[in-house]
Amino acid sequence: AQSVTQLDSQVPVFEEAPVELRCNYSSSVSVYLFWYVQYPNQGLQLLLKYLSGSTLVKGINGFEAEFNKSQTSFHLRKPSVHISDTAEYFCAVSDPGGYQKVTFGIGTKLQVIP
Amino acid sequence: DVKVTQSSRYLVKRTGEKVFLECVQDMDHENMFWYRQDPGLGLRLIYFSYDVKMKEKGDIPEGYSVSREKKERFSLILESASTNQTSMYLCASSLETLRGGLTDTQYFGPGTRLTVL
Repeated sequence: AQSVTQLDSQVPVFEEAPVELRCNYSSSVSVYLFWYVQYPNQGLQLLLKYLSGSTLVKGINGFEAEFNKSQTSFHLRKPSVHISDTAEYFCAVSDPGGYQKVTFGIGTKLQVIP
Repeated sequence: DVKVTQSSRYLVKRTGEKVFLECVQDMDHENMFWYRQDPGLGLRLIYFSYDVKMKEKGDIPEGYSVSREKKERFSLILESASTNQTSMYLCASSLETLRGGLTDTQYFGPGTRLTVL
């Protein structure tokens, strides 16, 4: 069975500072990996995803993530955060194809401090 | 742009009432999902559907049922609401792809915050 661990439930960071949100997964097969963002009072929207190919994935709003198979990690990074990045971020994993469900982490709340 | 809409943003019901949560997507997606979101627990899958009239249980189906009579509409039903079903409910849809199956990008609605008194 697959699982996702988001190690930090909350991450405070000053505006214009860099940030890394950590995600580790476990799966017995190859994986698809996703980061979703949820702004206050909204549903989730996709930030970026890794399906195959280059391990460095670029997403919207200046975010990027790196797939590290040996460390089973998919950490999300941004070199300089903005107030508008304040949101909850969810890492998710799925097995490619078939009818296996997507498993979400418990989320990390990013609080950008002015 | 894919649009997933949910019938209510906020809903207050009494214990024992039958509750219907409606979800509609406008992009002809085959797959639809219902999650509940609770603090510290993330998203948990209640039910999903990969075709009209088809449904599969997720991780926490107890106390819920679903209906998918049309491709664009997926309803979540609480037969007899209880206080432990107070939660945020999120609907999502995804396109069936040869590569992605059920497991590619999901598009979420804005959520329904249900309070059961």
